[in-house]
Amino acid sequence: NAGVTQTPKFRVLKTGQSMTLLCAQDMNHEYMYWYRQDPGMGLRLIHYSVGEGTTAKGEVPDGYNVSRLKKQNFLLGLESAAPSQTSVYFCASCRGGANQPQHFGDGTRLSIL
Amino acid sequence: GQQVMQIPQYQHVQEGEDFTTYCNSSTTLSNIQWYKQRPGGHPVFLIQLVKSGEVKKQKRLTFQFGEAKKNSSLHITATQTTDVGTYFCAGRGPLVSGGYQKVTFGTGTKLQVIP
Repeated sequence: NAGVTQTPKFRVLKTGQSMTLLCAQDMNHEYMYWYRQDPGMGLRLIHYSVGEGTTAKGEVPDGYNVSRLKKQNFLLGLESAAPSQTSVYFCASCRGGANQPQHFGDGTRLSIL
Repeated sequence: GQQVMQIPQYQHVQEGEDFTTYCNSSTTLSNIQWYKQRPGGHPVFLIQLVKSGEVKKQKRLTFQFGEAKKNSSLHITATQTTDVGTYFCAGRGPLVSGGYQKVTFGTGTKLQVIP
């Protein structure tokens, strides 16, 4: 039972390049999230999805796009990478409903030069 | 918008000492969850509090939810080196359009335990 799997685990990009981070969950969860974690800032929500085919903006959505074409996958795209997007990115998922815990992937460490 | 602050940001304790982290929300919460992130790891769910004034215990960890459901605390008795990590609270706000309840993570408290 893999849980939440993020690929890649590490990546170095040059400013202006684009890339897609993949999150896959095998728990049949309705909700999926993308966070970024920076020192002293905690976890900040980028985008989230409450079901297949739906996405919504979180706290810091600028410079990112997402898609949820399949229930098990949530993709995070960087259109034109900037050094300010250097961070650790976490994907999480949970069942629908108010009282469900979030299950996190191992994270993607992304550096933009 | 909903803001969730945690204090302190960092805490160094001698092994065996107690530790407390506090979480304060700018708005009333539906529930609050606590997560632990070990160094180099990902956040892992610890517990959820739902009721006003609720207190829950997990071995040496005691979690409280304030009467007004705007604050919470995590207290660790007699810390051990295995307690090292960052502790996050996550507050769930009121229902918004579409039935989704926004979850906001606190800034976290990084605990260092000195053997």
